[in-house]
Amino acid sequence: GQQLNQSPQSMFIQEGEDVSMNCTSSSIFNTWLWYKQDPGEGPVLLIALYKAGELTSNGRLTAQFGITRKDSFLNISASIPSDVGIYFCAGSFNNNDMRFGAGTRLTVKP
Amino acid sequence: NAGVTQTPKFQVLKTGQSMTLQCAQDMNHNSMYWYRQDPGMGLRLIYYSASEGTTDKGEVPNGYNVSRLNKREFSLRLESAAPSQTSVYFCASQTGNQPQHFGDGTRLSIL
Repeated sequence: GQQLNQSPQSMFIQEGEDVSMNCTSSSIFNTWLWYKQDPGEGPVLLIALYKAGELTSNGRLTAQFGITRKDSFLNISASIPSDVGIYFCAGSFNNNDMRFGAGTRLTVKP
Repeated sequence: NAGVTQTPKFQVLKTGQSMTLQCAQDMNHNSMYWYRQDPGMGLRLIYYSASEGTTDKGEVPNGYNVSRLNKREFSLRLESAAPSQTSVYFCASQTGNQPQHFGDGTRLSIL
């Protein structure tokens, strides 16, 4: 099946620093999504990308859909303690076949 | 609050026992999904239902059955639980090309 490689697996940063994480795929996708998961909760959508090359922001978060349709990145600027959590990328070619990366665990030190 | 509701939140089973995980959504979404989440891995699709009355296998369907009871409800059944099915199970719903919305998960341990 399609494989998503998400990196890094974990990050330890100081409050105020910027963060960057990315996902690559062996197959092309029509949609890239970025989710955040807090302990004991389900993933919550952060940003959805629907077109190759698309660059979308949501507050301090910015994500891009790679031109090749095989990759995406998520940037978080000026991190704050509540950014702590696990970030997942997800890609889909059709609505019913979404594949997830293994997640990036973010720790923010005050 | 509108969203996806999963019950129970926690469950411990013995090997061989059966159990049904419940999921309901009140967003009038057409499609519903069941995933499992294991340590160090992304969510993997077990089964999905593109519309009321239809169900299809996902990436890891073995050992599970599902029922789309009506538009709101989509249940996941383990007929004979095995330790390998210890996991966190997430239900999600979606309509059209909109992103999936997830419940808060059911944490299932099988001894």
